[in-house]
Amino acid sequence: DGGITQSPKYLFRKEGQNVTLSCEQNLNHDAMYWYRQDPGQGLRLIYYSQIVNDFQKGDIAEGYSVSREKKESFPLTVTSAQKNPTAFYLCASRDSAYEQYFGPGTRLTVT
Amino acid sequence: AQSVSQHNHHVILSEAASLELGCNYSYGGTVNLFWYVQYPGQHLQLLLKYFSGDPLVKGIKGFEAEFIKSKFSFNLRKPSVQWSDTAEYFCAVNAPWAGGYQKVTFGTGTKLQVIP
Repeated sequence: DGGITQSPKYLFRKEGQNVTLSCEQNLNHDAMYWYRQDPGQGLRLIYYSQIVNDFQKGDIAEGYSVSREKKESFPLTVTSAQKNPTAFYLCASRDSAYEQYFGPGTRLTVT
Repeated sequence: AQSVSQHNHHVILSEAASLELGCNYSYGGTVNLFWYVQYPGQHLQLLLKYFSGDPLVKGIKGFEAEFIKSKFSFNLRKPSVQWSDTAEYFCAVNAPWAGGYQKVTFGTGTKLQVIP
């Protein structure tokens, strides 16, 4: 079954801690994306990667970091510098026709 | 910078009513346009897309959208909604970005509630 997996579904952290969200795909797509979804704000792009070992900042990259060491994996680290980290995070990959395939999301709560 | 506007944030319809959700974008060049849907508890998935050719595109579950270049619009329509269409709908635009990259920008979404 091809698709995007994100884990965990729910994540709780204390303020000041870094946390890494997992995203794996077996669709053989080159491009992968991280979005943040907040009520009334749609999906906002955090980072994206067109290919292995390459990634670009999106619209709201401050306080986040990523790596793309393997085609299948695009983990997102939410650092303590992110002022408002509690949110729903979505990972996606994109095919050659520019269609995006989304994972189930991770809901991060920082207290 | 490109942007996408969805004017209706929350729409409530009775079953069998017709639906039209507005989407406008700001980008002067060639774009690819998408509508995605997020059913309760499910992943975001593609509803339909426009790349070129016939500006009236048909998608899954009876949805269609019309690309009007002069109005920078890509409105989503369905003649008769069903309760199962209750979901959040997102318009998205893919356009060239800095450094030769392509960027997808999403609208803020429209929550559709269909009352049986």
